[in-house]
Amino acid sequence: DQQVKQNSPSLSVQEGRISILNCDYTNSMFDYFLWYKKYPAEGPTFLISISSIKDKNEDGRFTVFLNKSAKHLSLHIVPSQPGDSAVYFCAVTNAGKSTFGDGTTLTVKP
Amino acid sequence: DVKVTQSSRYLVKRTGEKVFLECVQDMDHENMFWYRQDPGLGLRLIYFSYDVKMKEKGDIPEGYSVSREKKERFSLILESASTNQTSMYLCASSIGRDPTHEQFFGPGTRLTVL
Repeated sequence: DQQVKQNSPSLSVQEGRISILNCDYTNSMFDYFLWYKKYPAEGPTFLISISSIKDKNEDGRFTVFLNKSAKHLSLHIVPSQPGDSAVYFCAVTNAGKSTFGDGTTLTVKP
Repeated sequence: DVKVTQSSRYLVKRTGEKVFLECVQDMDHENMFWYRQDPGLGLRLIYFSYDVKMKEKGDIPEGYSVSREKKERFSLILESASTNQTSMYLCASSIGRDPTHEQFFGPGTRLTVL
């Protein structure tokens, strides 16, 4: 039973356009949500997070939206840049332990 | 600059061998984690530890054990390596139980079991 699901294994967008990555979760008790970015041959690095008491958090070109009723999380990147090409993982956290989605590979074409 | 290091980037072992993967963090973090990453399966938690000498099973602990004798070091042990343990292994650390604290990852160890 997968608690966190990223339904799109890959996404390709043109440089300058918006990238939207999606994540669904099953347990309404999760209280904190994070996005990580992973380049090949490196470990994941933290990108942005959101608490369950909020519905939006913004950091520069990155915005995370949380829809608790739908149990849905999304990451918007505007404008997308070729350097954003990476694997993006969403993660949900409870009591210091995180559960990760399968990841979405984003390719930003110049 | 925070740092999580893993003893090897690439490792090749034979079926039945005992394998040690070492992870060291220099941030004085309480929590340490071991994941494996496989295509289409994301990151799956093997074991984690909230303090020295403590360990908790993650989602896929079978075939693995861990050791945490010092705060900065967390070892993953494959008692008898099998081919289905061929994977990318990632170590991470984080501060306390506060969920707002993100995990810091090492670069990973690509283990191949022949």
